[in-house]
Amino acid sequence: AQKITQTQPGMFVQEKEAVTLDCTYDTSDQSYGLFWYKQPSSGEMIFLIYQGSYDEQNATEGRYSLNFQKARKSANLVISASQLGDSAMYFCAMRKGGGNKLTFGTGTQLKVEL
Amino acid sequence: DAGITQSPRHKVTETGTPVTLRCHQTENHRYMYWYRQDPGHGLRLIHYSYGVKDTDKGEVSDGYSVSRSKTEDFLLTLESATSSQTSVYFCAIMEPSQGYEQYFGPGTRLTVT
Repeated sequence: AQKITQTQPGMFVQEKEAVTLDCTYDTSDQSYGLFWYKQPSSGEMIFLIYQGSYDEQNATEGRYSLNFQKARKSANLVISASQLGDSAMYFCAMRKGGGNKLTFGTGTQLKVEL
Repeated sequence: DAGITQSPRHKVTETGTPVTLRCHQTENHRYMYWYRQDPGHGLRLIHYSYGVKDTDKGEVSDGYSVSRSKTEDFLLTLESATSSQTSVYFCAIMEPSQGYEQYFGPGTRLTVT
């Protein structure tokens, strides 16, 4: 069975600093995908970034990058130059190769402070 | 904006009453999903659909049924609501030909008293 673990229930970071949100996964599949979503206090779920298991380079989208370490089964989200608007809940999710369902972690609440 | 709406956005209902939540998309995406979000659990899949009249169960499907008679609409029904079904419900869509990321609706907050 697939499992996604986010061990940091809450994180604080100062504005303009970088922050890493941890995500580890457990799967026996060779083909899979990893996703990160942001949920601000307003409640909507916003797709941020995707990494495929066969992608050789780490995914990047603006200030977001995914630190993908396949051997360690980790897919950490790195947010550079944090902004107050980055304060939100962040969810890691995994898609099994050949499947079309996502399994989500329990989330990390990030607060950006002045 | 992925063109997904959910209705109602908020609902309070009594235990034992039937409830139907609607998800509507304008993107013509093949896959549609229903999740529930509860504190400490993240998002959990209830049911999903991979085409008109094609549906399958997720990990927390007990007490829920779904229907999809048109590409654009996916209905979630609680036949007899219970207090344990108090939650925030999200609909999502996905089109494999455009990438596997799912796009979510705004959510429906359901309270069962």
